[in-house]
Amino acid sequence: DVKVTQSSRYLVKRTGEKVFLECVQDMDHENMFWYRQDPGLGLRLIYFSYDVKMKEKGDIPEGYSVSREKKERFSLILESASTNQTSMYLCASSSAKGGRSEKLFFGSGTQLSVL
Amino acid sequence: SQQGEEDPQALSIQEGENATMNCSYKTSINNLQWYRQNSGRGLVHLILIRSNEREKHSGRLRVTLDTSKKSSSLLITASRAADTASYFCATDRDSGTYKYIFGTGTRLKVLA
Repeated sequence: DVKVTQSSRYLVKRTGEKVFLECVQDMDHENMFWYRQDPGLGLRLIYFSYDVKMKEKGDIPEGYSVSREKKERFSLILESASTNQTSMYLCASSSAKGGRSEKLFFGSGTQLSVL
Repeated sequence: SQQGEEDPQALSIQEGENATMNCSYKTSINNLQWYRQNSGRGLVHLILIRSNEREKHSGRLRVTLDTSKKSSSLLITASRAADTASYFCATDRDSGTYKYIFGTGTRLKVLA
């Protein structure tokens, strides 16, 4: 089975800190995604990557950046954490074989609290 | 705005009953997917239906897709307490990108 691993289950940071959220997948998937989930708003796409060093902005990229230096790892970076970035962060990956979008495999999520 | 909107927002039923959730979307799609999320955890893929399919089954799950109405429904038959979770629909955009748009979900509670 595909495994998507997020480095932390819970994280508490202070306003202004630089925060790194790490995600690793073990199925050689081309696509990787970062979503945030807030009550009443569902999942919103922050960034996604379709290849190493390739990235595209999602719907809410402001205040975030990403890094994909290796195919299996996709990092989300909060350059200067703010309280409105307190949220559940979900990483996902998918295969792009055949050029058709396929199902997403999710990590367990990181609940980030910014104080 | 969200591409997919689930209805109802919350649903409470007795064990053994059927649960039906609906999803509406706004633009053309290649496929529509349903996911389940247990409290505070990641999402788990349930079923994918492509735009040229009208109905799909997987165990106790039945999904229908009506592209003319831009809507889908998820039916869980003979529900169990373990089905208690939030259910989300997700759609891709027909431009062929890999951006999946999720709705806000339906919270299902199955009472034993």
